[in-house]
Amino acid sequence: AQKITQTQPGMFVQEKEAVTLDCTYDTSDPSYGLFWYKQPSSGEMIFLIYQGSYDQQNATEGRYSLNFQKARKSANLVISASQLGDSAMYFCAMREREYGNKLVFGAGTILRVKS
Amino acid sequence: SQTIHQWPATLVQPVGSPLSLECTVEGTSNPNLYWYRQAAGRGLQLLFYSIGIDQISSEVPQNLSASRPQDRQFILSSKKLLLSDSGFYLCAWSSLRPYEQYFGPGTRLTVT
Repeated sequence: AQKITQTQPGMFVQEKEAVTLDCTYDTSDPSYGLFWYKQPSSGEMIFLIYQGSYDQQNATEGRYSLNFQKARKSANLVISASQLGDSAMYFCAMREREYGNKLVFGAGTILRVKS
Repeated sequence: SQTIHQWPATLVQPVGSPLSLECTVEGTSNPNLYWYRQAAGRGLQLLFYSIGIDQISSEVPQNLSASRPQDRQFILSSKKLLLSDSGFYLCAWSSLRPYEQYFGPGTRLTVT
């Protein structure tokens, strides 16, 4: 079974509006972490936000927030006030309590911000 | 602050030729290091990770190998490249806490 599922291959959003990118995960480990990365056309992977499984509050970093629903095993990324520079591929990833802290990535969602 | 370097940025190599990609990290000590490959339009696949010098774990059987001769240097190699080795190779580092992984700029490899 897929560890990380991103069901939206592509999304459009109007500039200045908010957008939610979906991510569901599958794990039996009680200790895990969830990440979101942004990959613009240049190819670099930019770390956006991290949520630990024991964190009581949803993570926020500027315009990014993570809507963490543990019982539903979802970790959706919310981008508020979208900007043209937000157009990129977005990846959800999970770290399980495993040797090396390796990450398992989802297939990604392409976001296009329209002016 | 920490920085991570990869070179070369792009590479075109014929099938059967050797490969050496290098990754170095500055501003941290004893990092965990990772090699990922990204095929066109797809997600990242972990190839190797290392928790210390000469300590390498392989995730996917293939004709690639990795080495870590120094604490902050991670090398990806192949003796004979295959067409299927084409892709975007990303090196990343992390500390134990926090758990975020930070990626280098990547190497785009085309095997012809």
